[in-house]
Amino acid sequence: QLVLTQSPSASAPLGASVKLTCTLSSGHSSYAIAWHQQQAEKGPRYLMNLNSDGSHSKGDGIPDRFSGSSSGAERYLSISSLQSEDEADYYCQAWGTGIRVFGGGTKLTVL
Amino acid sequence: EVQLVESGGGLVQPGGSLRLSCAASGFTFNIYSLNWVRRAPGKGLEWVSYISSSGTTIYYADSVKGRFTISRDNAENSLYLQMNSLRAEDTAVYYCARDQYGDYTLDYWGQGTLVTVSS
Repeated sequence: QLVLTQSPSASAPLGASVKLTCTLSSGHSSYAIAWHQQQAEKGPRYLMNLNSDGSHSKGDGIPDRFSGSSSGAERYLSISSLQSEDEADYYCQAWGTGIRVFGGGTKLTVL
Repeated sequence: EVQLVESGGGLVQPGGSLRLSCAASGFTFNIYSLNWVRRAPGKGLEWVSYISSSGTTIYYADSVKGRFTISRDNAENSLYLQMNSLRAEDTAVYYCARDQYGDYTLDYWGQGTLVTVSS
């Protein structure tokens, strides 16, 4: 069964960098994922697709401060030069036959 | 500019029905598959249903199977979700989301419509 695991929360100071993690369940370490951002009271926003080799393609208008990388079953979202508007919930998303699966989300607080 | 605008949410009693709509613009609607995703209060995102570009292939999450029906009207650039036998646990903001062309990534989302199931 495809399961995505994320830490519930993360925090970092304004201007710093942060790396969020999404872990794919056993047997699914080759899967690509997507990262989405959801700011408070807004609809989600697609950030990027991330492949198992670390290659990624970003959505329209996503700043260079956002990047992705991979290692084994782990998929990472890195954000540099944190800004106040980066405070949001971040979700990883994968797909199986006919289904979409989301991780539980990480709430990022910018201190 | 791609736009997805949901409507039709509201307050409904347990066991009741509601029909959500999603009006699309800014892209060639009939070549994209679409999804409904929801977020319950205090919870994360949950995928609800998928419909292919032609409407011939449909999938549902187990939590809504047999109660919800997804459909689309390619002439009207619209997506729908008929929700029957609603339960308190269906209370959520419902979003429509487009699949990236030829892929399974959700690349554009609407702003959502709130459904509250309560007596």
